[in-house]
Order: sequence, then C-alpha cells, then structure tokens
Amino acid sequence: AQTVTQSQPEMSVQEAETVTLSCTYDTSESDYYLFWYKQPPSRQMILVIRQEAYKQQNATENRFSVNFQKAAKSFSLKISDSQLGDAAMYFCAYRSGGGSNYKLTFGKGTLLTVNP
Amino acid sequence: DAGITQSPRHKVTETGTPVTLRCHQTENHRYMYWYRQDPGHGLRLIHYSYGVKDTDKGEVSDGYSVSRSKTEDFLLTLESATSSQTSVYFCAISGRAIPGDTQYFGPGTRLTVL
Repeated sequence: AQTVTQSQPEMSVQEAETVTLSCTYDTSESDYYLFWYKQPPSRQMILVIRQEAYKQQNATENRFSVNFQKAAKSFSLKISDSQLGDAAMYFCAYRSGGGSNYKLTFGKGTLLTVNP
Repeated sequence: DAGITQSPRHKVTETGTPVTLRCHQTENHRYMYWYRQDPGHGLRLIHYSYGVKDTDKGEVSDGYSVSRSKTEDFLLTLESATSSQTSVYFCAISGRAIPGDTQYFGPGTRLTVL
C-alpha cells in the first residue's frame, strides 16, 4: 500500500518570503499523480497543484511550485512571496495512475503560519 | 466550484442513533468518495462509488455503509453512531471530464456523537 509522509507538522514564514513544505511517498508503481491541497480555517479543501509522475517538468501555479524528485520519491511544495492568505493546513496526496477508483492517500498535513 | 454540496453541515447526535449524511453533485461525475478527517490522521477514505449502485470500501469502512441510487447523490450512513465517529466528513468527486481526474471536495460536515 502507498504511504505519504509529511515530516513537518508545523511551519512558519514571514510575509513576502519563501517557504518549502516537504512530502515523501512510498510506492512501487511507476504511473501515479501527486497533489497538494490547502485547507484554510474555513475547512474547504482546495487544490493547489497537481503533478503527473510521467512528466519530468515540475508543475507551477503562480506563486506555487513543486520540486518533484521521482527517484527519491519526494514532492515538495514551494510557496514564493508568501501572503497572509496562504496560512492554512497543507496536505500532500498520492493517487495511483492505474486501477479504476482514483482514490487518494493523504499525508497528515503541515500547518503553515504566515507572520506579518 | 465543482458543484458539490453536503448536508447537513453540522450535526450533533447521541450514541446509538442512526445518522445519514448526503453528498450532492451537479456535474454528473462518475466517481464519488467519502473521507473522514481527524487530527493527526489527515483524510482517510471510508467508501467510494464508481457508478450508480457501484460502491466499494476504503481503509476505514467499519461502522459505515453507503448508497448511490442516482448519479448525483451519494449517501453515507452510520447505522449506530459511536463517539469514535465524531469527525469531519468530506465528500469528493472526480471523473474523466476533470483534468488529471483530480478530486474536488465538498465543504464538509462536522459530526459530533455524544
């Protein structure tokens, strides 16, 4: 079974600075997807970014980018120019590329605080 | 906005009572999921559905049942609620029409079992 590990329960960053959240995963599959979700105090789960394992290029969405190291099974999220609205719980998630159910396996989350 | 609603949004109930949570989607996506979120555990899959009347268990399915009689509705039932089922419950959807078959989540239901 796949596992996802987020080794940083909490992180903090100063407004306008850059922070990197870590995620590692364990799988024997070669075809899979990785995701970062953000959960602000409103509790809504919001997709931040998605990475397909077969793509070597790291995904980027505005101020959010990932460092995907397939051989190391590492998938870190970098937030540039941090804003107060980035304060949230961040979850890393894995989805198998095969099969038919597309279920997600989540890490336990990293709580990000942004200091003004 | 993936057109997902959950009802109720909050519920307090007593141990031993039955509880049904509803997830409704407006986009006609094939896959629907129920997760629970607990401190220190992230989100864990309870059950999922891959079509009308087609469901399967996730990793924490004990004490829960589901039904999907229509594409748009996925019901989660706690036959006899226990305090260990106090949690936040999320519904999610995915399907071929969504890039990367990404899952999108409803707003969540906070359930308290006294």
